[in-house]
Amino acid sequence: DTEVTQTPKHLVMGMTNKKSLKCEQHMGHRAMYWYKQKAKKPPELMFVYSYEKLSINESVPSRFSPECPNSSLLNLHLHALQPEDSALYLCASSLGQALNTEAFFGQGTRLTVV
Amino acid sequence: GENVEQHPSTLSVQEGDSAVIKCTYSDSASNYFPWYKQELGKRPQLIIDIRSNVGEKKDQRIAVTLNKTAKHFSLHITETQPEDSAVYFCAASTPSGDYKLSFGAGTTVTVRA
Repeated sequence: DTEVTQTPKHLVMGMTNKKSLKCEQHMGHRAMYWYKQKAKKPPELMFVYSYEKLSINESVPSRFSPECPNSSLLNLHLHALQPEDSALYLCASSLGQALNTEAFFGQGTRLTVV
Repeated sequence: GENVEQHPSTLSVQEGDSAVIKCTYSDSASNYFPWYKQELGKRPQLIIDIRSNVGEKKDQRIAVTLNKTAKHFSLHITETQPEDSAVYFCAASTPSGDYKLSFGAGTTVTVRA
């Protein structure tokens, strides 16, 4: 299984809503990532978890809250988002953060904030 | 931190011709250079990568070259096909940067039939 699975595929939420994005992988990868991607732009790193501990937070606003319940799961909790947060949110995983190996991306959640 | 520049931003080629995309990086400590292809509405997928101890790597119609002295690397696609149409991103990973992937801005490749 070389898949990173993200749910939901699409999400529309109001600015006062609370929602969560989910990501799952069963490749035994110990590094997991959240990226944000705007149209026609490269993925922009938000968070990195290494061995279930947060290792990098790229100064992301607190309305985005990551969680890594176990080595296979990664969540992104969303609260009080702004319309400019509308984007494709990509989860990725790799064997290990320091091993410089392929990062496998999920299909992404297309988020629209209204 | 690492800065990766990618050129051109758009590239249109005739089917069967070659396509070349070039990237430069700023941190001489960068040691891993992947290339991702992203088709419209899909996830980025690794097509080829190269490490700093290698100068060239080839996989069928795709090749990557790395010049560590000049700090640039290039993607070469030969015998292009319509299914090669996509956005291509180069990236660099740096130990001193916590191994974060720094992406180039992307190249939109269109293969004309």
